[in-house]
Amino acid sequence: DAKTTQPTSMDCAEGRAANLPCNHSTISGNEYVYWYRQIHSQGPQYIIHGLKNNETNEMASLIITEDRKSSTLILPHATLRDTAVYYCIVRVVMDSSYKLIFGSGTRLLVRP
Amino acid sequence: DAGVIQSPRHEVTEMGQEVTLRCKPISGHNSLFWYRQTMMRGLELLIYFNNNVPIDDSGMPEDRFSAKMPNASFSTLKIQPSEPRDSAVYFCASSPDGHNQPQHFGDGTRLSIL
Repeated sequence: DAKTTQPTSMDCAEGRAANLPCNHSTISGNEYVYWYRQIHSQGPQYIIHGLKNNETNEMASLIITEDRKSSTLILPHATLRDTAVYYCIVRVVMDSSYKLIFGSGTRLLVRP
Repeated sequence: DAGVIQSPRHEVTEMGQEVTLRCKPISGHNSLFWYRQTMMRGLELLIYFNNNVPIDDSGMPEDRFSAKMPNASFSTLKIQPSEPRDSAVYFCASSPDGHNQPQHFGDGTRLSIL
């Protein structure tokens, strides 16, 4: 299983972009990178995923390096409600679905 | 639209008692997952069902744990007998078929075994 490395914690100012890095140097060619976040007392929430192209949705952007060994999740205008633990995950494919192996994540604090 | 629904939200019971956690996946989702989260071990996958059939239960800690999915809209995770070290938050997630579909999580059951 490919492993990911993330900083333990980060902070950013409200209204500014939050850039959360992730290293996944052992990722295989067909493995996707998924990002989830977990706000206190809630279940993990899906944010975005990608294979090799950059991706954007209403929540965030995902930038994946050309060699796919690292990626960055970008929250363009962080709000206080974005304070959460963010998990970068390389999924493991199983039969009809896949397995998510969660690491320790990055605890993001958005400051007023 | 309703997400994954788990019950109860909180459960406190004495060791030795049977505990049953319940999950209703999102309608139309074919895959269902049970996870456990503790401070020491983080989020761990316990078991995964596809089309109501258990596919991978390698994460189930021991024989005291069992999970069933009698139909597409209901699953249970049972612990019998329960022990204090089973105290954790248990999450259920579901997803449509396919390797490119995100898993959607419920808000979990916080279990305390005294």
